[in-house]
Amino acid sequence: NAGVTQTPKFQVLKTGQSMTLQCAQDMNHNSMYWYRQDPGMGLRLIYYSASEGTTDKGEVPNGYNVSRLNKREFSLRLESAAPSQTSVYFCASRERYYGNTIYFGEGSWLTVV
Amino acid sequence: ELKVEQNPLFLSMQEGKNYTIYCNYSTTSDRLYWYRQDPGKSLESLFVLLSNGAVKQEGRLMASLDTKARLSTLHITAAVHDLSATYFCAVAVISSGSARQLTFGSGTQLTVLP
Repeated sequence: NAGVTQTPKFQVLKTGQSMTLQCAQDMNHNSMYWYRQDPGMGLRLIYYSASEGTTDKGEVPNGYNVSRLNKREFSLRLESAAPSQTSVYFCASRERYYGNTIYFGEGSWLTVV
Repeated sequence: ELKVEQNPLFLSMQEGKNYTIYCNYSTTSDRLYWYRQDPGKSLESLFVLLSNGAVKQEGRLMASLDTKARLSTLHITAAVHDLSATYFCAVAVISSGSARQLTFGSGTQLTVLP
């Protein structure tokens, strides 16, 4: 059981380049999330999706776009990368029903130079 | 805006000692999570607390929730080196479409010394 899978695990971008972080979960979860974690800080929500076909902004959405391709997949796109987007990105998913745990992927380390 | 404050941010403990990490939050919530993160790793779920007065224990860790005080605690009993990690609390609020947004505290970096 793979859980939440993110790709790539590491990426170096030049300022202005674009890229997409991929996330897939095999737990049939409805809700999916993208977070970023900066050194010495907790996670901050970028975007989330309550169900297939819906997406909403979180705390720090500027500079990002997302796509909920189907129930399994939720991608995060950086259209024009900036050094301030250097961070570790975590995808997560959760079952809708009461009390369920939120599961995190292994993280994607992104450096923008 | 929901604020989640953890303290202390850094904690050095000797093996065998007890200590408590505190998590205060600023708005009503019925769900609080505790996670552990090892350096360079993802977050591992420790506890989900769902109601006022909830208490959960796993090994040397015990978490509790007081929704009236908007306070959760993570108590460490007789610490061992393997507990060295960063611990995060996260508070859930309902947002659109029933998805719950998690707001995280800044984390408590725990080091257990021999």
